Amino acid sequence: ETGVTQSPTHLIKTRGQQVTLRCSSQSGHNTVSWYQQALGQGPQFIFQYYREEENGRGNFPPRFSGLQFPNYSSELNVNALELDDSALYLCASSSGIAGSYEQYFGPGTRLTVT
Amino acid sequence: TQLLEQSPQFLSIQEGENLTVYCNSSSVFSSLQWYRQEPGEGPVLLVTVVTGGEVKKLKRLTFQFGDARKDSSLHITAAQPGDTGLYLCAGGKSNYQLIWGAGTKLIIKP
Repeated sequence: ETGVTQSPTHLIKTRGQQVTLRCSSQSGHNTVSWYQQALGQGPQFIFQYYREEENGRGNFPPRFSGLQFPNYSSELNVNALELDDSALYLCASSSGIAGSYEQYFGPGTRLTVT
Repeated sequence: TQLLEQSPQFLSIQEGENLTVYCNSSSVFSSLQWYRQEPGEGPVLLVTVVTGGEVKKLKRLTFQFGDARKDSSLHITAAQPGDTGLYLCAGGKSNYQLIWGAGTKLIIKP
């Protein structure tokens, strides 16, 4: 059984640029949630995708967008990058909606915006 | 805004000592999860508690959910260096969202 994988592991971007982060969910899981974790903080919920549809969203602006594909892998896109977007971006997959099912996390993508 | 307050934020103790980490809120949660996160990795789920007053044990770790489902604690007996990590609690608030605490950074010195 393959766990949750994320790519790339590290990324450096300039303010104003756009970035796409990728996540492959664990086999058998149909739900992917994305989180932003700033240094020294707990994860902050960005949004969740369930069977290719956005199922819930946290307090993040529209320049944070996502997709889920038929194989349940997912992308997180961030436009017009700001310095405060520098963080560890985590994706988690589950076999159902995140509030009710256990989530399994990938290792994260460390994004640095300069 | 963090709805879950974890305390202490940082704890450094000697191997063999006992410790308790707290997770408190004014909100009621449908479930409470505890995770451990190591540097460069994502959080790993340790336990989920769903019933007020529930106690779960995982080897030397004891987890308790408050009667009113607003708070939780994690107690570690005879801590070992392998217990070192960031301990996070997360409360189930809706059908899709977990609310996370800021974490307790635990260091166990040999």
